[in-house]
Amino acid sequence: AQSVAQPEDQVNVAEGNPLTVKCTYSVSGNPYLFWYVQYPNRGLQFLLKYITGDNLVKGSYGFEAEFNKSQTSFHLKKPSALVSDSALYFCAVREDDYKLSFGAGTTVTVRA
Amino acid sequence: NAGVMQNPRHLVRRRGQEARLRCSPMKGHSHVYWYRQLPEEGLKFMVYLQKENIIDESGMPKERFSAEFPKEGPSILRIQQVVRGDSAAYFCASSPDGGANVLTFGAGSRLTVL
Repeated sequence: AQSVAQPEDQVNVAEGNPLTVKCTYSVSGNPYLFWYVQYPNRGLQFLLKYITGDNLVKGSYGFEAEFNKSQTSFHLKKPSALVSDSALYFCAVREDDYKLSFGAGTTVTVRA
Repeated sequence: NAGVMQNPRHLVRRRGQEARLRCSPMKGHSHVYWYRQLPEEGLKFMVYLQKENIIDESGMPKERFSAEFPKEGPSILRIQQVVRGDSAAYFCASSPDGGANVLTFGAGSRLTVL
C-alpha cells in the first residue's frame, strides 16, 4: 500500500526564517506526491505536486518541495516564512487513479 | 466559481440519530469523493461517486454509512444511528474527471455525536 508519514506534529519558526515541513513516503513504483494546506475553517488547498520530471517542484504562495528518491522524502520548503503561512499542512500520495492517502498533518506556527 | 460547497459546516447529533451531510461539487465537476478526518489523523478515503453511480466505496464502514450522488442535486453522505466514534470532520472533494491529481476540497462538515 502507498503511504506517507509526517514525522513532526508541529513546526515553529520565526517570520523571515526558512520553513521546512518533512514528509517521507513508502510506495511501490513511481510515487505521485502532493502537498495540501488547511487554514482554519477552510477546505484543503492544493499547494503542489510531483508526478515526474524535475525533483524540485514549485508551487503556490512561494512554496517548493524536493523529491528525493534515495531518501524517499518529499519535504516542503519556503525560504522565508510569513505569519500568514501558519496552518495545517498535509502530505499525500496517490494510491490509485483517484485515491489519495494523507499523512497525519503538521501544524506550522510562524511567530512575528 | 463558488468552489466545493459543503453543508452543514457543523452538525451535532445524539447517539442513535441520523446525520446527513451534503456536498455540491464545483461547477463542471461530475466526480465526487468523500474523506473522513478523525482527530489526530490524516484524511481517509471513504467513497468515490459519479452522477448516479458509486464507483468505489471501499473506505466506507459496511454498516450505517451510505452515499449517493443523484442526477440532480448535491451528493449526500448519510450516517444512520450515529455513535460517538463517528465524530469527525467529513470532507468532500470534486474533480472534472476521475483523477486524484486535480482534487478540489470543500471546507468540511464537522460532526459531533453527544
